[in-house]
Amino acid sequence: GAVVSQHPSWVICKSGTSVKIECRSLDFQATTMFWYRQFPKQSLMLMATSNEGSKATYEQGVEKDKFLINHASLTLSTLTVTSAHPEDSSFYICSARRLGDEQFFGPGTRLTVL
Amino acid sequence: SQQGEEDPQALSIQEGENATMNCSYKTSINNLQWYRQNSGRGLVHLILIRSNEREKHSGRLRVTLDTSKKSSSLLITASRAADTASYFCATAYIGTGFQKLVFGTGTRLLVSP
Repeated sequence: GAVVSQHPSWVICKSGTSVKIECRSLDFQATTMFWYRQFPKQSLMLMATSNEGSKATYEQGVEKDKFLINHASLTLSTLTVTSAHPEDSSFYICSARRLGDEQFFGPGTRLTVL
Repeated sequence: SQQGEEDPQALSIQEGENATMNCSYKTSINNLQWYRQNSGRGLVHLILIRSNEREKHSGRLRVTLDTSKKSSSLLITASRAADTASYFCATAYIGTGFQKLVFGTGTRLLVSP
């Protein structure tokens, strides 16, 4: 149990386009989902926290208009990178948490913006 | 930044040797977790140690926690080439009502056959 999937696993897009990444908890209901970004050979940095049905809480320095997060249901959260630029190229990882439980991580999405 | 520090940044050993990685953190925590990440892949949860625990074992893994020094160590015994990966500690603390994880800087482990 406790499987989290992400789609797509990788995406290449042109500068200026928007990209949507999905995060799903496959066999449990996630009260909270988290989005992280990881640059090459660096650690994971938390971008935002989202609860189902409420607005996401963004970490300091993360532009909420740039990274739109929607947590529409207890099993799905989406991250949309709007007007993507090459500096947004990164590895995006989501995690999902059950109430009182640990976080379960998705396999990540590699975004490359040309 | 509340990010923790890990050392060494990189560690290269031979198969069969033990590997020790250290993690220091800054805030009071609820628990500390260790994760493994193979290159370009997702995270694999290894072990969780709660703030009231001092040592925990799981197979070839041994984790210690010293809350007075705000530090933890991960020991991998009898290492294998398949253990080659990056290892991250992550501390859980209560932030705005959620249990956020703050990841350390990571240790890149290379185990040579």
